[in-house]
Amino acid sequence: DSGVTQTPKHLITATGQRVTLRCSPRSGDLSVYWYQQSLDQGLQFLIQYYNGEERAKGNILERFSAQQFPDLHSELNLSSLELGDSALYFCASSDRLEGVTGNEQFFGPGTRLTVL
Amino acid sequence: AQKITQTQPGMFVQEKEAVTLDCTYDTSDPSYGLFWYKQPSSGEMIFLIYQGSYDQQNATEGRYSLNFQKARKSANLVISASQLGDSAMYFCAMREGTGGGNKLTFGTGTQLKVEL
Repeated sequence: DSGVTQTPKHLITATGQRVTLRCSPRSGDLSVYWYQQSLDQGLQFLIQYYNGEERAKGNILERFSAQQFPDLHSELNLSSLELGDSALYFCASSDRLEGVTGNEQFFGPGTRLTVL
Repeated sequence: AQKITQTQPGMFVQEKEAVTLDCTYDTSDPSYGLFWYKQPSSGEMIFLIYQGSYDQQNATEGRYSLNFQKARKSANLVISASQLGDSAMYFCAMREGTGGGNKLTFGTGTQLKVEL
């Protein structure tokens, strides 16, 4: 158990809908990351938050948005869903913004999103 | 160009034997970190081992060691005394430099199957 929790575990929805994925980082971790794992694109970084602020952005679609709340939990919002958004969405956390040494990211169990 | 290349889509190894999973990387940043993660069929991402670009010695964690050859830009994972529970997908990942957050770039993975 990494200490990172994600809800829900599974989500099935229809095209055009909007969903919210939730992540609670490990106790004490200030950085939260979102990744998407799909058959087409592999594992891709989406976005990073550190202590409530957006710090790095990857291949995140405009239909997707995220935020990190004062209690450090984070939510990833996916709207106008398309079939291609079906994927495993991971949240990860680490204890710092960045660093040369260590700073490994610990991953949650993921939310499997299926868009029908 | 691919930043992380894993050329072995699948590998087989006999139980109790050692196996090497290949990873090459591409970066012009002198400061970077290399990670290996394990993803069993259950889907979670498990951190295995980390190597920093300035580390003088190869990283080791139990049965896992990282064969870091900086000049060749390779960071191969060596698993000694393979066990049936090592059967999983293995991902190599890189974090580049500082100032851009802490995002990880992943390779396409190697599916390892440990046989009796």
